[in-house]
Amino acid sequence: AQSVAQPEDQVNVAEGNPLTVKCTYSVSGNPYLFWYVQYPNRGLQFLLKYITGDNLVKGSYGFEAEFNKSQTSFHLKKPSALVSDSALYFCAVRDGDGNNRLAFGKGNQVVVIP
Amino acid sequence: EADIYQTPRYLVIGTGKKITLECSQTMGHDKMYWYQQDPGMELHLIHYSYGVNSTEKGDLSSESTVSRIRTEHFPLTLESARPSHTSQYLCASSGFGFYGNEQYFGPGTRLTVT
Repeated sequence: AQSVAQPEDQVNVAEGNPLTVKCTYSVSGNPYLFWYVQYPNRGLQFLLKYITGDNLVKGSYGFEAEFNKSQTSFHLKKPSALVSDSALYFCAVRDGDGNNRLAFGKGNQVVVIP
Repeated sequence: EADIYQTPRYLVIGTGKKITLECSQTMGHDKMYWYQQDPGMELHLIHYSYGVNSTEKGDLSSESTVSRIRTEHFPLTLESARPSHTSQYLCASSGFGFYGNEQYFGPGTRLTVT
């Protein structure tokens, strides 16, 4: 079964500094990878996805993610963090071999310090 | 913003009551999902549906039941609520095709059983 690991519980970053949220995955077959963001008392919002093609994927709100097949990673990045980026971030993977369900990581709380 | 709606947003109810959490989407998506999430924690899939009259149990065992009589509607029912059911319930949907389609989430229902 597919799984995702988000090794850090909380990521603290100063406003204006680069932000990285780490994600590694385990899946049989080709991976389909997603990042979501959750603000307090809200549902999840889709940020970006990797299906195939370029390893660097660009998404909403200035976020991007880099797919690395050899390291089975899909880290989320933003060149310059904003205070409004403070939220809970989830990585998810869908197995490419016919399993249509998503497996979510445990989430990372990002705190951007003014 | 995704066109997926959940009502009520907040519900406080006594033990033993029957409750139905509503979820509707106007995107014509064939797949719909219910997740359970404790605040700030990971998501657990409890039910999903691939289309009308199709329902399956997810990875986390749940005493709730679901139905899918219409494409746009995927309600979740608890016949007898217990304090252990206190959680946030998120509904999601995804579009046509099996692979690489992101899920769109509703705002969630926060359930408290006293």
